Amino acid sequence: DAGVTQSPTHLIKTRGQHVTLRCSPISGHKSVSWYQQVLGQGPQFIFQYYEKEERGRGNFPDRFSARQFPNYSSELNVNALLLGDSALYLCASSPRAGNLDNEQFFGPGTRLTVL
Amino acid sequence: QKEVEQNSGPLSVPEGAIASLNCTYSDRVSQSFFWYRQYSGKSPELIMSIYSNGDKEDGRFTAQLNKASQYVSLLIRDSQPSDSATYLCAVPRSAGGTSYGKLTFGQGTILTVHP
Repeated sequence: DAGVTQSPTHLIKTRGQHVTLRCSPISGHKSVSWYQQVLGQGPQFIFQYYEKEERGRGNFPDRFSARQFPNYSSELNVNALLLGDSALYLCASSPRAGNLDNEQFFGPGTRLTVL
Repeated sequence: QKEVEQNSGPLSVPEGAIASLNCTYSDRVSQSFFWYRQYSGKSPELIMSIYSNGDKEDGRFTAQLNKASQYVSLLIRDSQPSDSATYLCAVPRSAGGTSYGKLTFGQGTILTVHP
């Protein structure tokens, strides 16, 4: 079975632009979470979606938004890019949301560089 | 106090030795704990999940959980150079609210296994 897929792999943008990152979860998984990881740190939670509804939001500005589609794939959008948005953006797939024993499996990530 | 704390290392062990990685957490009601391995330039890979006090073994890996001390560890027996990576401890948020179920990560411990 295919794991979590993300696109694109790498992306270079300039300040002020917007970006859309995409994720497809493991087949049968209905929850997608987004994380941001900067060099030398652990991933930071951005959003969690389950059954097309937002179920969790981290401490990120409103420039960050996301949505989940009927096929459970997801998009993360970031507007008005800042240099500090440069990071590895990770998508995690899980069967459901809101359960504490819910293992999350990460995709390969999208490396975003903002110049 | 950080929610999840790890020694950043680097931890260097000789091939064949036992590597011991430690993690403490602040939320007393946390019930689930995950260890991820992240190779340089790659995304985190789930290697161990533990939910009950005591030890859980999987091959060369043993996770140890002590909820009274709010401490979880990962032991790697017969360490191999291929185990060289960053090891991330992750704890799901157990309180309610908008970030229920999100994973909170430590900053990771860099492990180097030298021949």
